[in-house]
Amino acid sequence: KAGVTQTPRYLIKTRGQQVTLSCSPISGHRSVSWYQQTPGQGLQFLFEYFSETQRNKGNFPGRFSGRQFSNSRSEMNVSTLELGDSALYLCASSLDWDSGNTIYFGEGSWLTVV
Amino acid sequence: AQSVTQLGSHVSVSEGALVLLRCNYSSSVPPYLFWYVQYPNQGLQLLLKYTSAATLVKGINGFEAEFKKSETSFHLTKPSAHMSDAAEYFCAVTPSYSGAGSYQLTFGKGTKLSVIP
Repeated sequence: KAGVTQTPRYLIKTRGQQVTLSCSPISGHRSVSWYQQTPGQGLQFLFEYFSETQRNKGNFPGRFSGRQFSNSRSEMNVSTLELGDSALYLCASSLDWDSGNTIYFGEGSWLTVV
Repeated sequence: AQSVTQLGSHVSVSEGALVLLRCNYSSSVPPYLFWYVQYPNQGLQLLLKYTSAATLVKGINGFEAEFKKSETSFHLTKPSAHMSDAAEYFCAVTPSYSGAGSYQLTFGKGTKLSVIP
């Protein structure tokens, strides 16, 4: 079956712009979460959605937002981009978080802010 | 709050030698634990997970890990390293209950494994 699909894979934005990243989870998965990966901070949790509801949010400024649609697809948005937002953004999906269900990751979206 | 410590940001082993990547966790209640591998310019691939069943967990590509509650450890091992094992490895933890801190993975800083021919 198809894995977690993230689009776009690579993008370059200018400071002050905004960006929207998309994630399609594995079919049947209702939990979608997002992570930011940078060389300095490593992998950091952004937020998690289940059935269109945000259940948890990481320690990121309000410029970072997300949403989940009724088909479980998710988007995250970063407004007023800063140089420090350059990172690999990873989406992950799971059936749910009960019983340690496997959490599958996509290939990521590489964002460069110039 | 839960945390994960991976000892050694970079480990080098010879091809055919034992691979040992260390992971210690901090949690008031035994959590669920995961090891992921990341190849250059790729996402994360699950190697194995511990979800309170058997303490010795076998994963893909010949890797295994043992959950030791007394030592709060979940070290990753492989008896014989292959060149294809060169990658970055991440240990991660998530609560085994619903509540504060749930629905997220907390990752270690990662260990980059180099395999010398």
